[in-house]
Amino acid sequence: DVKVTQSSRYLVKRTGEKVFLECVQDMDHENMFWYRQDPGLGLRLIYFSYDVKMKEKGDIPEGYSVSREKKERFSLILESASTNQTSMYLCASRKTEAFFGQGTRLTVV
Amino acid sequence: AQSVAQPEDQVNVAEGNPLTVKCTYSVSGNPYLFWYVQYPNRGLQFLLKYITGDNLVKGSYGFEAEFNKSQTSFHLKKPSALVSDSALYFCAVRDNAGKSTFGDGTTLTVKP
Repeated sequence: DVKVTQSSRYLVKRTGEKVFLECVQDMDHENMFWYRQDPGLGLRLIYFSYDVKMKEKGDIPEGYSVSREKKERFSLILESASTNQTSMYLCASRKTEAFFGQGTRLTVV
Repeated sequence: AQSVAQPEDQVNVAEGNPLTVKCTYSVSGNPYLFWYVQYPNRGLQFLLKYITGDNLVKGSYGFEAEFNKSQTSFHLKKPSALVSDSALYFCAVRDNAGKSTFGDGTTLTVKP
């Protein structure tokens, strides 16, 4: 079975903390993505990467950064967490169709 | 800019009845179209896709979708709904450059 693994299912962080969300895929895909999912807003693309050390901004990159040092790993970084970043975060990798991780529900208090 | 519309936030059907979840899209060039399903507190799972070929595409769990180029639609269908089909369904379109756009999702509730 193909797999996309996100390091945490649930996280609670304080305002101002630096937060790291990790994602690993085992399918040797070049393309990886970070989305956030909020009720009524669907999936919104934060950042994506088409190759190692390559990153592109998605639709809502403000307050986030990413790192792709190895092909299988794509990290999302919240430089200084804020309450409006409380959300479900979904990582995906893709060749044709996307494969998603289980999601990380982040709460910033 | 490309876009996906799922006009219904909620679809309710009785078990055993046919179901349809609607999706229309706008994209430059030939579309790649996808349906995904999300069960509670889970990530999205791929259901089916249209890239080229037959307009009727069959996917997982008995679902199918019909690509209609003139109506720019890709509606998801199943002949006989199950209670276990209750979930959140997302339609997505991808352009030739690889950019994907998702709809806002439709919550399907199948009642016994």
